[in-house]
Amino acid sequence: DAEITQSPRHKITETGRQVTLACHQTWNHNNMFWYRQDLGHGLRLIHYSYGVHDTNKGEVSDGYSVSRSNTEDLPLTLESAASSQTSVYFCASSESPEGREVGYTFGSGTRLTVV
Amino acid sequence: QKEVEQNSGPLSVPEGAIASLNCTYSDRGSQSFFWYRQYSGKSPELIMFIYSNGDKEDGRFTAQLNKASQYVSLLIRDSQPSDSATYLCAVDSGSARQLTFGSGTQLTVLP
Repeated sequence: DAEITQSPRHKITETGRQVTLACHQTWNHNNMFWYRQDLGHGLRLIHYSYGVHDTNKGEVSDGYSVSRSNTEDLPLTLESAASSQTSVYFCASSESPEGREVGYTFGSGTRLTVV
Repeated sequence: QKEVEQNSGPLSVPEGAIASLNCTYSDRGSQSFFWYRQYSGKSPELIMFIYSNGDKEDGRFTAQLNKASQYVSLLIRDSQPSDSATYLCAVDSGSARQLTFGSGTQLTVLP
């Protein structure tokens, strides 16, 4: 069965370290997204991609980067981790036939703590 | 700034009752509207989507859309304790394929 997987599930890192969160999907979806979820803020878009070599900044992209070298993977990198980046991170993928979004499939999330 | 607003709740209903969840959005260009359910500690799960004005039914769930008033709602009939979760409303950005999410409404169904 097709799926979208995130790793690691939990990560504790120190302030200033570079961290990469992995996202891998076997749906063959063109669209991939990274969101963070914090109490009181809901899900906020960090970066997104509509295909290989396409990446775009979302609402809260400062301090984060992504790259898309193939259809299946969209890793999220925190260049220099800060305590404000402690959050739960969700990756999602989707298709949009004829340009209309049909809904995301989410990964199981990564809980990141920056100490 | 595109906004999606939901009452945070918590909303409590007795088992068997109808739960009504509401959402308003600011972008008049939005075309696609979604409801996700999120259990505590889990990822959001798509339960309904609606594109056109009116009602769309799927089992115990009914999504309602009114583009003129810019609101979308979700009705859950015969609510069950297993429906206890946070419900997220999500709206697209018109021509763009990103979704903007509301902060969610926490629903508790009391046995």
